[in-house]
This record gives sequence, structure tokens and C-alpha cells, in this order.
Amino acid sequence: NAGVMQNPRHLVRRRGQEARLRCSPMKGHSHVYWYRQLPEEGLKFMVYLQKENIIDESGMPKERFSAEFPKEGPSILRIQQVVRGDSAAYFCASSQLGTGGDSNTEAFFGQGTRLTVV
Amino acid sequence: AQKVTQAQTEISVVEKEDVTLDCVYETRDTTYYLFWYKQPPSGELVFLIRRNSFDEQNEISGRYSWNFQKSTSSFNFTITASQVVDSAVYFCALSETTDSWGKLQFGAGTQVVVTP
Repeated sequence: NAGVMQNPRHLVRRRGQEARLRCSPMKGHSHVYWYRQLPEEGLKFMVYLQKENIIDESGMPKERFSAEFPKEGPSILRIQQVVRGDSAAYFCASSQLGTGGDSNTEAFFGQGTRLTVV
Repeated sequence: AQKVTQAQTEISVVEKEDVTLDCVYETRDTTYYLFWYKQPPSGELVFLIRRNSFDEQNEISGRYSWNFQKSTSSFNFTITASQVVDSAVYFCALSETTDSWGKLQFGAGTQVVVTP
């Protein structure tokens, strides 16, 4: 059972370009979460999605950032017109349930995508 | 307001010394979960432990041990007889039941440097 798969592992973009980060959740997981880790900082929650729905986007910057989790295929975090301050590690996590369940329910993290804006 | 505080930014020890990482959290929920993750220099997040708020038993796993005290809202982590491979950033995190399973609030992390 493959874990959470993120690609690419490393992404370099020039200022003004678009960055697309992909996350394939674990098999059987329909809940996906994106986090951003700026240099020297902890992870900050960005957005929580279920298939075809954004459930909680309280951590998403208001502009240039968007996320989707289509019925088929991976979840995509898109950053338009990237700036140097977007350089960070972006982690994706997935869980089987959103809420409820028992103590064995948990979220599993991918290995992250390191975005560098030059 | 920050909900998870890791006051120690960096701790440096010599191999075989013990090291304790502090974590203080804040929540109004009566049911919540606390986590520790390790982030080695390679960058991935390694899950170490999850503890629910009703289980205050301390836990030991090999050289790792955790001390959960609800009275002081702390969930401290000790590495016994540290090794160079323990060098990493360690994150404490909180999940509140009013949130979804995957919405964790992370502390800023503590960098542990173990020298030979």
C-alpha cells in the first residue's frame, strides 16, 4: 500500500510563473490536506479538501493560491505568478475520515515538494 | 494565538547525553490529540507518536519517552542516550476534535544537534 505520493519532489520556477504541486493520497483516503513550511518555521495548515469539495481553506493566502481535488486524479495545489516568498516546502497529508472515527484514524504525510522561486 | 509552543529553538548535546524537548499546548476541547514528528535533514516528516487527551500514561518506545501532563498542558519528549542520527528538527502538534483529522497545529519546532 503506497503512502502519500507528492510530485515533483523539487520544483524550480522563475518569478511570475505558475507552480503546480500534485498529491496522490493513500489508497482509500478521500481527505487531503495541504501544509506549507517556510524556511526555519513549522508547518502551517493551508487547505482541507474532499473529493470535489473544499472543506476548509482558512490557511490559504487570498490571492494566487488555489487547490482542487477532482473526482479522478491527484489533488493539485496551484500557485500563480510565483514570488520569491513562495519558496517553501509544501506537504500533503491524507486521511480516511474527516472527523469522527476512533483513535486509529490519523493523517499520513507525503515527503513534500520543495519549491524554489528564482 | 499560538496553540502549540516549543520554547526551545535549538538544543545541542554530545552523543549519549539525554535530551528533553518541551511542548506546551493550549486548547478548550476536552478531547484532542497530540503528536510528535521528526524532520531529519532529508526533509520528510516522520511520525513518532500520537496521544489522545484521555490517556495520560507516559510512554516509552526504545530510547524515546513521552511525558503527558494535562495539569500543565505539556507533552514533553525525551531522547535517552542520544545518537548522531537523532539530529533533526522535532515538531509537536495538536489536533482538536472540532477540526478534521488532518488539520494539525504545529509548534515551531526544536532543532536537536547531536555531536559525536
